[in-house]
Amino acid sequence: EAQVTQNPRYLITVTGKKLTVTCSQNMNHEYMSWYRQDPGLGLRQIYYSMNVEVTDKGDVPEGYKVSRKEKRNFPLILESPSPNQTSLYFCATLDRAGANVLTFGAGSRLTVL
Amino acid sequence: GEDVEQSLFLSVREGDSSVINCTYTDSSSTYLYWYKQEPGAGLQLLTYIFSNMDMKQDQRLTVLLNKKDKHLSLRIADTQTGDSAIYFCAEIFTGGGNKLTFGTGTQLKVEL
Repeated sequence: EAQVTQNPRYLITVTGKKLTVTCSQNMNHEYMSWYRQDPGLGLRQIYYSMNVEVTDKGDVPEGYKVSRKEKRNFPLILESPSPNQTSLYFCATLDRAGANVLTFGAGSRLTVL
Repeated sequence: GEDVEQSLFLSVREGDSSVINCTYTDSSSTYLYWYKQEPGAGLQLLTYIFSNMDMKQDQRLTVLLNKKDKHLSLRIADTQTGDSAIYFCAEIFTGGGNKLTFGTGTQLKVEL
């Protein structure tokens, strides 16, 4: 079954404590992306990766880092989380064959106190 | 830059038709999409339309595209309580990065 798996699904942390949200896919897609979802703002892209070792900033990259050492994994790193990073985060992969359809993970709800 | 706008809420009665509207700005978009997000879940592709089409129908769903006005709509016929969700329209920005730009989402509430 085609899947995008994110962990953790829920996390409460404190300001400044580094955390990583993992994302793994089994579809061999080259393109992966992170979004955050906030009420009234829809989904905003944080970072994306066109392929292994290729990453680029999206619309709201401040306070985040990513890495793409292998095709299947695309972790999102918050080096020093702040309360304004409290949000719902989604990882997604893009199938660039055909209609460029995104497949999303189930989401990771992060609360920074 | 690219921008996609939707109204935030829509309430309909079960059995009625729902129409969710969206306006977009990138006239070079090749595809436009509707994604559905059920509570506590990620987004799932509902349907999409290629930019050279005016209409696409898929069972209870009808997508209308007006390229001149940059207006996209999703009509759900015979709306059911299971259709209650947030609906996002999205366009793909062909300027680079295969980036999909999402609207703010429309929360559809279906009442009995």
